Amino acid sequence: DAEITQSPRHKITETGRQVTLACHQTWNHNNMFWYRQDLGHGLRLIHYSYGVQDTNKGEVSDGYSVSRSNTEDLPLTLESAASSQTSVYFCASTEGGGTQYFGPGTRLTVL
Amino acid sequence: GQNIDQPTEMTATEGAIVQINCTYQTSGFNGLFWYQQHAGEAPTFLSYNVLDGLEEKGRFSSFLSRSKGYSYLLLKELQMKDSASYLCAVNWRNSGYALNFGKGTSLLVTP
Repeated sequence: DAEITQSPRHKITETGRQVTLACHQTWNHNNMFWYRQDLGHGLRLIHYSYGVQDTNKGEVSDGYSVSRSNTEDLPLTLESAASSQTSVYFCASTEGGGTQYFGPGTRLTVL
Repeated sequence: GQNIDQPTEMTATEGAIVQINCTYQTSGFNGLFWYQQHAGEAPTFLSYNVLDGLEEKGRFSSFLSRSKGYSYLLLKELQMKDSASYLCAVNWRNSGYALNFGKGTSLLVTP
């Protein structure tokens, strides 16, 4: 069955370190998204991509970057982790304007 | 971003019916999604409304009024497993396939 996976599921890092969160989908969807979820804010869009070599900034993109070298993967990089980036991160994918399918999430703690 | 408003918390009794409302700005509206999210898990798709009216799917129904900027999710014959957060998400015409989420409504079903 097609799926979307994220790794690691839990990560603890220190302020200033570079961190990369992986997202891999086997739906063969062109469209992929990264969100963060915090209490009191709901899900907020960080970056998204509509195909290989395409990346776009979302609502809360500062301090994050993504790259899309193939259809299946959209890794999210925190250039220099900050305590404000402690959050739960969800990756999602969709084909066209339909349902977005979410990965299981990565809980990131920045100390 | 455009405001999407939904109640923070609701409580209902097992076997009852509950209605969760969502309001949004009408300008630029394209379509509206409802997702369910259990604690510690990923959001899962419930419904999608793009035209006015009621969409029924088993115990869950979703209603949309485009002119009023209003949607609701109706849950019938509530079960304990329906205790979860319910997320309203809007797709705007100028945002491609990206979604803008409300902060979610936490529903507690009591015996």
